[in-house]
Amino acid sequence: AQTVTQSQPEMSVQEAETVTLSCTYDTSESDYYLFWYKQPPSRQMILVIRQEAYKQQNATENRFSVNFQKAAKSFSLKISDSQLGDAAMYFCAYSTNSGYALNFGKGTSLLVTP
Amino acid sequence: DTAVSQTPKYLVTQMGNDKSIKCEQNLGHDTMYWYKQDSKKFLKIMFSYNNKELIINETVPNRFSPKSPDKAHLNLHINSLELGDSAVYFCASSQTPSSNQPQHFGDGTRLSIL
Repeated sequence: AQTVTQSQPEMSVQEAETVTLSCTYDTSESDYYLFWYKQPPSRQMILVIRQEAYKQQNATENRFSVNFQKAAKSFSLKISDSQLGDAAMYFCAYSTNSGYALNFGKGTSLLVTP
Repeated sequence: DTAVSQTPKYLVTQMGNDKSIKCEQNLGHDTMYWYKQDSKKFLKIMFSYNNKELIINETVPNRFSPKSPDKAHLNLHINSLELGDSAVYFCASSQTPSSNQPQHFGDGTRLSIL
């Protein structure tokens, strides 16, 4: 079975601080893509960042960056300079060319305090 | 303009009824998906269509029947609704079924069974 594990059901961070959300995955595929999606209370699913498994360089999008450790099958999300608007559920996911669909973790609820 | 739109946003109905959720995307994508998000926020793929053809059909009761009249639309019909069908249903689309294509999500339909 292919799975995604997010071991932190809830995390809290102060405004302007940095927080890291962890994610591990398990797949036997060699070619796959990894994603982080954000779901605020409005319920929208918003793509935050994505990483190609064949690239060693970690992806970065403004204040969001990942630490991709392929051998360890780890894909953590770092949010720098946290803002109140970052408060949301964060889902880690991957997809493979043989599976097409996204396989999601159970999510991490991020609380941002002033 | 909304890229992936679902209607209705909320659906409250009684057990045993039949209901439909509509989804349309104006992105020109070939591939569309239905995901179910349960009460614990876990997202799981239900179906995927590519150019109107079914490519993913996860273990879903046959009371759920997707229909794709054209590649811009993927509707979900549910017969004989049960309490366990209460969830948020998300439609999504991607350019192709390839794993490197980010999926764009609709805002979700919250289905509540009384």
